[in-house]
Amino acid sequence: EVQLVESGGGLVKPGGSLRLSCAASGFTFSSYSMNWVRQAPGKGLEWVSSISSRSNYIFYADSVEGRFTISRDNAKNSLYLQMDSLTAEDTAVYYCARVDDRRDILSGDYVGVFDYWGQGTLVTVSS
Amino acid sequence: DIQMTQSPSSLSASVGDRVTITCRASQNINSYLNWYQQKPGKAPKLLIYAASSLQSGVPSRFSGSGSGTDFTLTISSLQPEDFATYYCQQSYSTLYTFGQGTKLEIK
Repeated sequence: EVQLVESGGGLVKPGGSLRLSCAASGFTFSSYSMNWVRQAPGKGLEWVSSISSRSNYIFYADSVEGRFTISRDNAKNSLYLQMDSLTAEDTAVYYCARVDDRRDILSGDYVGVFDYWGQGTLVTVSS
Repeated sequence: DIQMTQSPSSLSASVGDRVTITCRASQNINSYLNWYQQKPGKAPKLLIYAASSLQSGVPSRFSGSGSGTDFTLTISSLQPEDFATYYCQQSYSTLYTFGQGTKLEIK
């Protein structure tokens, strides 16, 4: 059974740092790209960052570029998000999600989908 | 970045109704469009991928259509468990973006 378990959330002061972790099990972690997605209280989903299976491709949303760093340790089946210079706007539940490539039967193209998600970890930035 | 716009933002409907949610992309994304369902306090769940393919285990009352910039999610006969928030997502770009969500409420 695929499982993704986030940890590391909590209360942090503005300007502070926090490191989130996502422990993966039930699949070959090193074969999949992974993502972080966040959801501010009462708001919609916001994609945060993506990392390819071997860490050679990394992408960030404009809102976190230069402040957040995504990384992974395939030997430990773990995904990380280092969050620095936090502001109140970063307050959210942070989810890790696995990317699977699914074939579009009409075009033959492969479409990335977020097929498994963790339960989320809450980050609160407040003084 | 590719912007995704859903409409309506909220929708009231009754059990048994047919409902349609639309999603528009700011540029051509071919069929790189996925739909997710989220219930309060839970992680999102994949419903539809590649615009029209049903995720395994998802009831057949859910269907998706569209390509290019305009997409729809249809629920043919609403069930009590379908009242939730629905999000579209583009995966044409690896700067993945979600629509703002459509909250489906009981009338």
